[in-house]
Amino acid sequence: GAVVSQHPSRVICKSGTSVKIECRSLDFQATTMFWYRQFPKQSLMLMATSNEGSKATYEQGVEKDKFLINHASLTLSTLTVTSAHPEDSSFYICSATQRGISYNEQFFGPGTRLTVL
Amino acid sequence: TQLLEQSPQFLSIQEGENLTVYCNSSSVFSSLQWYRQEPGEGPVLLVTVVTGGEVKKLKRLTFQFGDARKDSSLHITAAQPGDTGLYLCAGAAGANNLFFGTGTRLTVIP
Repeated sequence: GAVVSQHPSRVICKSGTSVKIECRSLDFQATTMFWYRQFPKQSLMLMATSNEGSKATYEQGVEKDKFLINHASLTLSTLTVTSAHPEDSSFYICSATQRGISYNEQFFGPGTRLTVL
Repeated sequence: TQLLEQSPQFLSIQEGENLTVYCNSSSVFSSLQWYRQEPGEGPVLLVTVVTGGEVKKLKRLTFQFGDARKDSSLHITAAQPGDTGLYLCAGAAGANNLFFGTGTRLTVIP
């Protein structure tokens, strides 16, 4: 149980285009979903927290107009990188907390490797 | 921001050796999790410790939560190549937030 999927796993795009990444909880209802960014050989950096039906909460320094998050249901959250540039190239990972589970345990998706040319 | 420092940052050992990874903070956490991440994949939850002084074992991995719930350690006995990966500790505070450590990249050489 507690499986989280992400799509796509890899994406290559041209500078200036927008890219949408989907995060789904496959076998549970996710109370909250999180979006992280990870640079090579570094730890996870939290970008934003989203709850179903409400606006996402962005961490300091993360541009909400550039990284659009939509949490349409208890099983789906999307991250759209708008007008992507090479510096946005990174590994993006989502996670979800399961309704009814305590201790803030998060279940992670497999990640999406974004390369902006 | 609650900072979690992990040490060592990098560790390369021979198969069969023992090792300990440390996760330290000046903040108190309600619980602490350890994750392992392999290249190109998302982190996988290994364990959650909740009570100060708690010790949990997962096969060859032993996790301990500090008495004051500010620090934790992960000890691996007789390391195997399959243990290779990025180990992340994460402290829980507030309703949903996890604060991730700086990470320890372990390489076990056959």
